[in-house]
Amino acid sequence: QKEVEQNSGPLSVPEGAIASLNCTYSDRGSQSFFWYRQYSGKSPELIMFIYSNGDKEDGRFTAQLNKASQYVSLLIRDSQPSDSATYLCAVKGGSQGNLIFGKGTKLSVKP
Amino acid sequence: DGGITQSPKYLFRKEGQNVTLSCEQNLNHDAMYWYRQDPGQGLRLIYYSQIVNDFQKGDIAEGYSVSREKKESFPLTVTSAQKNPTAFYLCASSIWGGHQPQHFGDGTRLSIL
Repeated sequence: QKEVEQNSGPLSVPEGAIASLNCTYSDRGSQSFFWYRQYSGKSPELIMFIYSNGDKEDGRFTAQLNKASQYVSLLIRDSQPSDSATYLCAVKGGSQGNLIFGKGTKLSVKP
Repeated sequence: DGGITQSPKYLFRKEGQNVTLSCEQNLNHDAMYWYRQDPGQGLRLIYYSQIVNDFQKGDIAEGYSVSREKKESFPLTVTSAQKNPTAFYLCASSIWGGHQPQHFGDGTRLSIL
């Protein structure tokens, strides 16, 4: 059974701090890794995706991938109250188009 | 604007009734997906389709049916055999294969009357 694990939180950080969200996955053959943000009652929206080991930066967001450790993370710099949401990690294996989702980490940014 | 349109936004089902959720996309994506999300849970795959006139069961297909007669459309029917249908249903689409991400519609919230 392929699994994606996330700490459910809530993760609480003060405004302006760095929020660090983590995700581990069980399928060593996984190829692509995605972070989605989901506000309460809304659908998920794509923030970033990564498929090579290392870091990928986009504005205040940095995705980090370590395939040897089967670990992917999302850093949010200068956290804002508007970043308060649930962050879903999703993993795609091999040539398949299907994603396996973690249950999400709830982030709360306090003013 | 390109996107994925789900309708209705809210839907109520009576006991023994089949209901159909609509999903239309104008992104020219080959692949379309249906997910179910329960409170505090991740997304679980119901059905997916890579091309027109072909679809595959996901992890929780029992009690659901789909069709893919047009590239743009992938409706989901929640049948009376699905005994616990109350959930948030999400439709997504993507280019099939490679590192392509999936993009989601706004969802349909289904409840039992």
